[in-house]
Amino acid sequence: NAGVTQTPKFQVLKTGQSMTLQCAQDMNHEYMSWYRQDPGMGLRLIHYSVGAGITDQGEVPNGYNVSRSTTEDFPLRLLSAAPSQTSVYFCASSYLGQGVTYEQYFGPGTRLTVT
Amino acid sequence: AQTVTQSQPEMSVQEAETVTLSCTYDTSESDYYLFWYKQPPSRQMILVIRQEAYKQQNATENRFSVNFQKAAKSFSLKISDSQLGDAAMYFCAYRSPDDKIIFGKGTRLHILP
Repeated sequence: NAGVTQTPKFQVLKTGQSMTLQCAQDMNHEYMSWYRQDPGMGLRLIHYSVGAGITDQGEVPNGYNVSRSTTEDFPLRLLSAAPSQTSVYFCASSYLGQGVTYEQYFGPGTRLTVT
Repeated sequence: AQTVTQSQPEMSVQEAETVTLSCTYDTSESDYYLFWYKQPPSRQMILVIRQEAYKQQNATENRFSVNFQKAAKSFSLKISDSQLGDAAMYFCAYRSPDDKIIFGKGTRLHILP
């Protein structure tokens, strides 16, 4: 099992450029999510998905798009990068179950700098 | 909206001593889940301990235990016999019934040799 993988590990963008952060998991988890981590702000939920074809917004969704066409993949798209999107991005996944606490497994993160 | 508050941005503890990290949260739900995650300098997020809100018994994992006070909406983490490897950022997290997960801003824990 590779767990949760994220690519790239590092990325530098110019303002206005677009890019996709890739996230994949091989644990057949229904739940996947994207967070951004900024100094002093903890992790903030951007978007999440409870299964293929289903996505929903988190705390800070503006400027980001997601889709979930397969169980395994959950890419995060920045349509027009802005310096405020400079951050470390984490993808996470977990099982879903009624009345069961499933832990999230996190990817290693992507450090994105927008100049 | 649910919120999670960690009121201690930084804490220090002597090696082998006990330290308690505070976390409070706000929710109108009765069923939810609470977690403590550790983030060492490697940046990898590691689950420390979890608690289901419907369970009255406090969760324990080796040297880590929680004090869950549902009425007070408090979820503190106690680390006993602190070790140098415990130095990290610690995040408290709340998972709602509709699967939104909210993290606190974190507490940086220093272990003094």
